[in-house]
Amino acid sequence: GQNIDQPTEMTATEGAIVQINCTYQTSGFNGLFWYQQHAGEAPTFLSYNVLDGLEEKGRFSSFLSRSKGYSYLLLKELQMKDSASYLCALMDSNYQLIWGAGTKLIIKP
Amino acid sequence: IAGITQAPTSQILAAGRRMTLRCTQDMRHNAMYWYRQDLGLGLRLIHYSNTAGTTGKGEVPDGYSVSRANTDDFPLTLASAVPSQTSVYFCASRGLAGGPGELFFGEGSRLTVL
Repeated sequence: GQNIDQPTEMTATEGAIVQINCTYQTSGFNGLFWYQQHAGEAPTFLSYNVLDGLEEKGRFSSFLSRSKGYSYLLLKELQMKDSASYLCALMDSNYQLIWGAGTKLIIKP
Repeated sequence: IAGITQAPTSQILAAGRRMTLRCTQDMRHNAMYWYRQDLGLGLRLIHYSNTAGTTGKGEVPDGYSVSRANTDDFPLTLASAVPSQTSVYFCASRGLAGGPGELFFGEGSRLTVL
């Protein structure tokens, strides 16, 4: 079967760095996505990893290790507007997305 | 219309009533999806369509039906609503050409069944 785990909630300070982890188990893999979702809004795409390594995009970076079934989203220079839920999603062998429950990130001044 | 549009944005419905949530996209995406999102749970796939004229069942299809008569529209129907269908419903789409692409989401439809 497939399973995705990510922490329920994390707290960080404005200006700091935070790493949100996502671990998964799957029999088929076609990539891993990260989405951001502000309260009451729709999810929006942040990143996609299909090969091992780090993908950097401005203040946000995403890392993947397929052998370990592990990904993380790294947010640098945190801003108050980064307060949101961050969703990890696995694309399975049928190209369907399996979603984690999301990590609520709280940014404090 | 720009992107993907859902209607209504919010609805309160009596149990037993029939309800259709509308979804329209103007990006000519092949694939469309309906998800429900409940507190503490990840997005769960209800139904999907990889191309016009075809549909498939997702993780939680019971009590829901869909149709895909054309590329742009993908309505979700609750034939006889029950309180457990109270949720936020998101429609999404993505292009399939060239490999996995990002999902684009509508703004969501908040449904309350009493």
